[in-house]
Amino acid sequence: AQSVTQPDIHITVSEGASLELRCNYSYGATPYLFWYVQSPGQGLQLLLKYFSGDTLVQGIKGFEAEFKRSQSSFNLRKPSVHWSDAAEYFCAVGANGNEKLTFGTGTRLTIIP
Amino acid sequence: GAVVSQHPSRVICKSGTSVKIECRSLDFQATTMFWYRQFPKQSLMLMATSNEGSKATYEQGVEKDKFLINHASLTLSTLTVTSAHPEDSSFYICSGGQGASVETQYFGPGTRLLVL
Repeated sequence: AQSVTQPDIHITVSEGASLELRCNYSYGATPYLFWYVQSPGQGLQLLLKYFSGDTLVQGIKGFEAEFKRSQSSFNLRKPSVHWSDAAEYFCAVGANGNEKLTFGTGTRLTIIP
Repeated sequence: GAVVSQHPSRVICKSGTSVKIECRSLDFQATTMFWYRQFPKQSLMLMATSNEGSKATYEQGVEKDKFLINHASLTLSTLTVTSAHPEDSSFYICSGGQGASVETQYFGPGTRLLVL
């Protein structure tokens, strides 16, 4: 069975600082990996996804993520955060041919001035 | 991009009543729709998967007689919470998928249910 671990429940960074959110997955084959963002009381917005090919994936809002098979990781990064990036971030894993997504427990990001 | 809407966005009901939540794919045909629930400060938990015209497949531990799912068309799925209780209060999110791959799953904005 597939699973996702987000080790950090809550992260606080200063506006303008760099950001890295961790995600580790467990899956027997090459996974489909996703990062979603959720603002308070809102649904999920897809930031980026990885299926195959280049292991460094660019997404919306200046985010990127790198797939590292050897570490079973798919960490999300942003070089300079903005106050509007404060939200909950979810990593998810899926498998081709199976539309079920398994979500991590999320990381809440707080931005301080 | 593909858009999924949910109605209502918020609903408050009395304990024992039933509540229906609609999920619509606005600009694509969703052959599969998914229903998730999210408790405060927790992740999304898949409740059930429904394919148009067939019965929904429920995840382990989800009562199919309590959470009735109908997927009558390629653009509409409904979740009815029957005989709601306060512990059913949660954030319910639907998503619509195309084809047989997770890459084409689009999420709705969610419905906040409060049962008094």
